[in-house]
Amino acid sequence: DGGITQSPKYLFRKEGQNVTLSCEQNLNHDAMYWYRQDPGQGLRLIYYSQIVNDFQKGDIAEGYSVSREKKESFPLTVTSAQKNPTAFYLCASTGTGINYGYTFGSGTRLTVV
Amino acid sequence: QQQVKQSPQSLIVQKGGISIINCAYENTAFDYFPWYQQFPGKGPALLIAIRPDVSEKKEGRFTISFNKSAKQFSLHIMDSQPGDSATYFCAASEAGGFKTIFGAGTRLFVKA
Repeated sequence: DGGITQSPKYLFRKEGQNVTLSCEQNLNHDAMYWYRQDPGQGLRLIYYSQIVNDFQKGDIAEGYSVSREKKESFPLTVTSAQKNPTAFYLCASTGTGINYGYTFGSGTRLTVV
Repeated sequence: QQQVKQSPQSLIVQKGGISIINCAYENTAFDYFPWYQQFPGKGPALLIAIRPDVSEKKEGRFTISFNKSAKQFSLHIMDSQPGDSATYFCAASEAGGFKTIFGAGTRLFVKA
C-alpha cells in the first residue's frame, strides 16, 4: 500500500542535541511538507519542498533544517537552536498541484528530556 | 488574510445527532477546501473536499456546505456516532500554490 512512513514514532532529545526525523513516501508525490502540532493546537508549517533539491521555509522554520536529495525522502532535523521542540511532528505529501489534498504520515512525538 | 477561522473549538453531540463545524476565510484566491479527521496520536486523514464552483458535496454521512459570497464553509456529520469522536480541521488551498492554510481544529465528542 502506498503511503508515508515516519520514524521513529517517539523520540527523546537532550538539551543541546540535534535530532533527525525521517519521512519516506512511496506515492510518487512531488511535494512534501513538515508540520508541527502542539497540544490542542492546529498545524503550523515548518518547511516544504516542491521538487528534489529545492525547499522553502514555512511559518516557523527557525531552529529546523531539511534536505530533499530524493523524491521519496524529506528528513527534518531539529537543531539545538530550536528552544521549544517538544511537539508532534507530521510529514505530508501531495501529488501534482495542491488540489488533491494532503496525505499525512502517522507522526513523530518529540520530547525534550 | 491568510487565516482560516474555525469554530467551535469543541463540540459535544449525542449519538444520532448532527455535528456542525464552521469555517471562514478571507483570501478569495483559495479554490480548494478540504476537511481532515484526526484521531489521537495519528496523522490527519483527508475526509472530504469541495471546490467553490459547487455549493454542497455529500459523501456518506459527511456533507460540506459552501457559501462563496459569505466566504464560509461547513462540515455536517449526520447520524453522529461515537467512532466519529476526533479532531476535525478545515483547510483552504490556493490554486497553483503548494501551501495549505489550516483552521485551528474542532474536538468532537459524540456521547453514546
